[in-house]
Amino acid sequence: GAVVSQHPSWVICKSGTSVKIECRSLDFQATTMFWYRQFPKQSLMLMATSNEGSKATYEQGVEKDKFLINHASLTLSTLTVTSAHPEDSSFYICSARGGTSRETQYFGPGTRLLVL
Amino acid sequence: GQNIDQPTEMTATEGAIVQINCTYQTSGFNGLFWYQQHAGEAPTFLSYNVLDGLEEKGRFSSFLSRSKGYSYLLLKELQMKDSASYLCASMDSNYQLIWGAGTKLIIKP
Repeated sequence: GAVVSQHPSWVICKSGTSVKIECRSLDFQATTMFWYRQFPKQSLMLMATSNEGSKATYEQGVEKDKFLINHASLTLSTLTVTSAHPEDSSFYICSARGGTSRETQYFGPGTRLLVL
Repeated sequence: GQNIDQPTEMTATEGAIVQINCTYQTSGFNGLFWYQQHAGEAPTFLSYNVLDGLEEKGRFSSFLSRSKGYSYLLLKELQMKDSASYLCASMDSNYQLIWGAGTKLIIKP
């Protein structure tokens, strides 16, 4: 139980384009989903927290107009990186919390984004 | 303030035991998590402690002392596949996780 999927696992795009990443909880209803970013050899950085049906709460320094988050259902959240630039290249990981374990975050496998 | 401290790196021998310590200062503490993260992969959940004491789960055990703001992850019978980063995270009063920087564990044959 508590499986979270992410799609795509890899994406390479040109600078200026937008990229959408999907995060799904496969066997539980995720009341809350989280989006993280991790640069090589660095810690996880929380970008935003989203609750189903409401606007995401962004961490300080994260541009909400650049990183659009939609948590449309209890099993799906999407992160759209708009007008991507090379400095946005990173490992984006979602996590979901809900189901029988209200506290534990279960992570998706991550999406590697490379912006050329 | 809120703070998590854990060693940056540890080295251990295959078959041995290693203890990774974590100290925390968290307002409205709601529990302590340990995650394992292999290089290039996302974290996977290992344990959650909210009450004092030791919880054992196979080769891995996790301990919590709320009064001391201290936790450790104990790994027994180390295997090469245990080489990874181990992330300590405390949960605050808003149920948000405060992450440590992670401990890179290197297992030598």
